Amino acid sequence: KAGVTQTPRYLIKTRGQQVTLSCSPISGHRSVSWYQQTPGQGLQFLFEYFSETQRNKGNFPGRFSGRQFSNSRSEMNVSTLELGDSALYLCASSPSPGNTIYFGEGSWLTVV
Amino acid sequence: QKEVEQDPGPLSVPEGAIVSLNCTYSNSAFQYFMWYRQYSRKGPELLMYTYSSGNKEDGRFTAQVDKSSKYISLFIRDSQPSDSATYLCAIYYQGGSEKLVFGKGTKLTVNP
Repeated sequence: KAGVTQTPRYLIKTRGQQVTLSCSPISGHRSVSWYQQTPGQGLQFLFEYFSETQRNKGNFPGRFSGRQFSNSRSEMNVSTLELGDSALYLCASSPSPGNTIYFGEGSWLTVV
Repeated sequence: QKEVEQDPGPLSVPEGAIVSLNCTYSNSAFQYFMWYRQYSRKGPELLMYTYSSGNKEDGRFTAQVDKSSKYISLFIRDSQPSDSATYLCAIYYQGGSEKLVFGKGTKLTVNP
């Protein structure tokens, strides 16, 4: 069974640009959540989607957004990138909300 | 007070040692408890999860939960160099808004 797949794995962007990250959950998983991981703050929850609806949102500015498609695949977008957005962005999936989550390998974003 | 506190280490032990990793949490509404292992530049992988107080064993790993003290532990017996990684505790919280809260992780090095 394939795991959570995230693309791209690595990317470099310039301040002010925007970025879109993609996530394909484990087959049969309908809940997708996104996390930002930095050395200083650790893993921080961004948002969670289930059945194309955002269920929960973390404490991040509106520049961070996401969506989920009917096939459970998800994307997150960060607009007007800042240097502090440099981080590992992790997607995780679970069969439904409240179940154990399984992470992908992450997308490494560097903002210069 | 942070919801989940975890000593960041780093922790360095000789091969074969017993390792104890710990987290404390503040809210008794937490539901279940997980430990993830994260190798450098990889996504976290689920090691163990448990719902109740007491011990749960899986090979060389034992997860322990003490709900009365709001304290969880992960023990690694006969530690191996391949156990060198960052270990994250995670606690699922259901009270108002459901969320999964992570500790900041403890970096472990097992020296051959």
